[in-house]
Amino acid sequence: GNSVTQMEGPVTLSEEAFLTINCTYTATGYPSLFWYVQYPGEGLQLLLKATKADDKGSNKGFEATYRKETTSFHLEKGSVQVSDSAVYFCALINTGFQKLVFGTGTRLLVSP
Amino acid sequence: DAGITQSPRHKVTETGTPVTLRCHQTENHRYMYWYRQDPGHGLRLIHYSYGVKDTDKGEVSDGYSVSRSKTEDFLLTLESATSSQTSVYFCAIRQGDRGYNEQFFGPGTRLTVL
Repeated sequence: GNSVTQMEGPVTLSEEAFLTINCTYTATGYPSLFWYVQYPGEGLQLLLKATKADDKGSNKGFEATYRKETTSFHLEKGSVQVSDSAVYFCALINTGFQKLVFGTGTRLLVSP
Repeated sequence: DAGITQSPRHKVTETGTPVTLRCHQTENHRYMYWYRQDPGHGLRLIHYSYGVKDTDKGEVSDGYSVSRSKTEDFLLTLESATSSQTSVYFCAIRQGDRGYNEQFFGPGTRLTVL
């Protein structure tokens, strides 16, 4: 079946530190991959996506590269801000099933 | 903003009572979804719809039913609420008919079943 595994949180960083949140997946075929972000008290917002191998999604300083050989889609940011504190969800959609499958989420806490 | 609203935003109810949550969209998207969010589980799909009167089950559909009589509204009903259905419920739309098109989420409904 399809599944997404994310690193457990919380991830605690100081402002301007480098961020990596690991995400690996299991899927048949060629899924599309997504990162969503959820700020406190809000719904999920799409952060970035990649639809095929070696694609790099990027938005607001965040990046993730679709690595088929390692079945990974790790989220990175070079310099985090306090305002990046949120829960980050990795997700995939396998076009044959047309349903988003989410990881359990990783909470990021950034201190000044 | 994909024009998605959910109502109510918060609800407290008692075990055994029926509850209906409403999702409303303003952009005529064909696909709509209901998810629940629980600690340690991420989001899990309850039901989804691919058109008026066309719905299908997700991975956690037991105890829930849905209806879609108009394109813009997708209703989630708990026929007899239980404490295990205490959760945050999110509605989503898919922007486009391709499987890889992204989904956009509403603000959520926090439901507490006492």
